[in-house]
Amino acid sequence: GNSVTQMEGPVTLSEEAFLTINCTYTATGYPSLFWYVQYPGEGLQLLLKATKADDKGSNKGFEATYRKETTSFHLEKGSVQVSDSAVYFCALSDRNTGFQKLVFGTGTRLLVSP
Amino acid sequence: EPEVTQTPSHQVTQMGQEVILRCVPISNHLYFYWYRQILGQKVEFLVSFYNNEISEKSEIFDDQFSVERPDGSNFTLKIRSTKLEDSAMYFCASSEGSGNQPQHFGDGTRLSIL
Repeated sequence: GNSVTQMEGPVTLSEEAFLTINCTYTATGYPSLFWYVQYPGEGLQLLLKATKADDKGSNKGFEATYRKETTSFHLEKGSVQVSDSAVYFCALSDRNTGFQKLVFGTGTRLLVSP
Repeated sequence: EPEVTQTPSHQVTQMGQEVILRCVPISNHLYFYWYRQILGQKVEFLVSFYNNEISEKSEIFDDQFSVERPDGSNFTLKIRSTKLEDSAMYFCASSEGSGNQPQHFGDGTRLSIL
């Protein structure tokens, strides 16, 4: 079946540091890939998405590239801010299930200190 | 920006009691979903709903669970006879369409079973 694997957290960084959160996936079909972010006390917000191989999703300085050859969708940001502290979830949806079900990774907590 | 709203934010219920979790999806959205997240675990898909019927459900969504769209705005999740292991955060989501349309999430209802 489909699955998503994320790096364990928490990831602790100083402000302006470079961020990478690793995500790899297993899918039987042709997945679309997503990053969601959850700020404290809030729901999941879509951060970015990519729907086919070599697509790059970007938003708010975050980027992720859909790499079919390595089945990866790593999240990066060049310079993190304290306000980026949150839990980040990698997820996929699959054409074989009509794209109706999101399969999530375990989430990675990011802590940014001033 | 339109958002998905969920009520209540926290529900405490005795084991064996029925509970109804409520959601108001974004008004022009056609697909509706429930997910849950047991503390410390992954966000898991429960059910998707379209055109007044369930379109997909997971193995978690057994006979104790049901969903309903009782009017034009609400989308509810009912658990008939709650168990201790039903304690979790429950997220409602909606999307404009299937395919690659992003799912928009509410802030969740924390369900505590005593």
